[in-house]
Amino acid sequence: DIQMTQSPSSLSASVGDRVTITCRASQSISRYLNWYQQKPGRAPKLLIYTASSLQSGVPSTFSGSGSGTDFTLTISSLQPEDFATYYCQQSYSTPQTFGQGTKLEIK
Amino acid sequence: QVQLVESGGGLVKPGGSLRLSCAASGFTFSDYYMSWIRQAPGKGLEWVSYISNSGSAIYYADSVKGRFTISRDNAKNSLYLQMNSLRAEDTAMYYCARTNLVIYAFDIWGQGTMVTVSS
Repeated sequence: DIQMTQSPSSLSASVGDRVTITCRASQSISRYLNWYQQKPGRAPKLLIYTASSLQSGVPSTFSGSGSGTDFTLTISSLQPEDFATYYCQQSYSTPQTFGQGTKLEIK
Repeated sequence: QVQLVESGGGLVKPGGSLRLSCAASGFTFSDYYMSWIRQAPGKGLEWVSYISNSGSAIYYADSVKGRFTISRDNAKNSLYLQMNSLRAEDTAMYYCARTNLVIYAFDIWGQGTMVTVSS
C-alpha cells in the first residue's frame, strides 16, 4: 500500500495568512493526488484533484502543486471559513489511501 | 441537486451484522463507480470498498475483506454495504462517495451514518 504523510499535523494561523500544507507519498503517484477539506461534524469536501485542478465552486485562494512523491496545498489568504482539517489522498492505486490530516486552527 | 444520503447505522454488538444503504439522486447513478469510506471517532479517513458502475468490479480494504460486502442496485439508485462479524475497530462514521474516474477523485460525499460496535 502507498503511505501518505502530511506535514504539519496541526497548524495555527491568522486570517489573511498564506499557508502551505505538504503531502508526501511513499512511492511515485504521478499527479494522482487529491485534497479534501473537512469541517467538524461534516463530510469531507473535494478541493483539488489531480494535484492542481480546482474543483468547481472552490475559491481560487486554494491551489495545489507537485508530482511524483511531493505535493503541496496552498491557501493564499486565509478566510475564517478555511479553518478546518485537510486531507490528501492518492488515487494512483488501490487501496486509495489518505494522509493523516492537517488541522488548521485560528491563532 | 446531486445528493447522497446514507442510512442504516446504529449500535451493534461485537460479532453482529448491519446493512448500510446510500440513496443517490441528481445524477445518473449507473454511470459512476461508488465507494464506502469510514472515519473512526477523532481519526482520519479510511477507504473501505468500491464497486464499478455495473457491479462487475469490486475491491475491499484488507481490514474488511471477507466480512463486508458492497453491492448496488442501479434500478433503485442505491448502494449498500453489508457488514458481518463486526468488531470494535469497525466503529466509525461511514460515508458513501461518488468515485469520479474522469478526475480520479471522490467528488460527492454523503453526510455519513454512524456505526458503533460495542457490548
